[in-house]
Amino acid sequence: NAGVTQTPKFQVLKTGQSMTLQCAQDMNHNSMYWYRQDPGMGLRLIYYSASEGTTDKGEVPNGYNVSRLNKREFSLRLESAAPSQTSVYFCATWDGYNEQFFGPGTRLTVL
Amino acid sequence: AQSVSQHNHHVILSEAASLELGCNYSYGGTVNLFWYVQYPGQHLQLLLKYFSGDPLVKGIKGFEAEFIKSKFSFNLRKPSVQWSDTAEYFCAVSLSGTYKYIFGTGTRLKVLA
Repeated sequence: NAGVTQTPKFQVLKTGQSMTLQCAQDMNHNSMYWYRQDPGMGLRLIYYSASEGTTDKGEVPNGYNVSRLNKREFSLRLESAAPSQTSVYFCATWDGYNEQFFGPGTRLTVL
Repeated sequence: AQSVSQHNHHVILSEAASLELGCNYSYGGTVNLFWYVQYPGQHLQLLLKYFSGDPLVKGIKGFEAEFIKSKFSFNLRKPSVQWSDTAEYFCAVSLSGTYKYIFGTGTRLKVLA
């Protein structure tokens, strides 16, 4: 029972490069979320998926796209990375009632 | 728009001091309330949660929080902090009947040994 897993743990990109952050859960939760965490700004919601087949924008969606591949997997794509996207990215799941469960995070640096 | 406010961004305490971190939310409907902790280099973990019933809830590691509906507040308390409580603390609110789950901006606590 791994909970929420994220890959990769660390990544360094050059400006303009693309990459996909992967998130998978075995908690059978319908909802999945992508956040970015920056010093002094807390957690900001990028995108979320209330259920398989649906995605919605959060607070800071610009520069990102998401795919809810199936109930287990929710990926976040940066098409053309920018230094402003240097951050720690967390995936989370939610059963719609209790607490959210978080993955270990991906630390991304864009040079 | 709904929001969660944490007024203290940085708090520094000596060991054995008492702690109170403020959290206020703006939403007129039914909410569930949470406090999370993030230790350095780790992801968020749940400290405690309130859904209904006794407004004073107890969590792990000696933490407690009180829900005051009239003040839209859910403050976190600990009578005597330890060095190991050094971490960032986040208040969060889920809005009943929606998929909205809103975090505050966090409070960084540093406990001096």
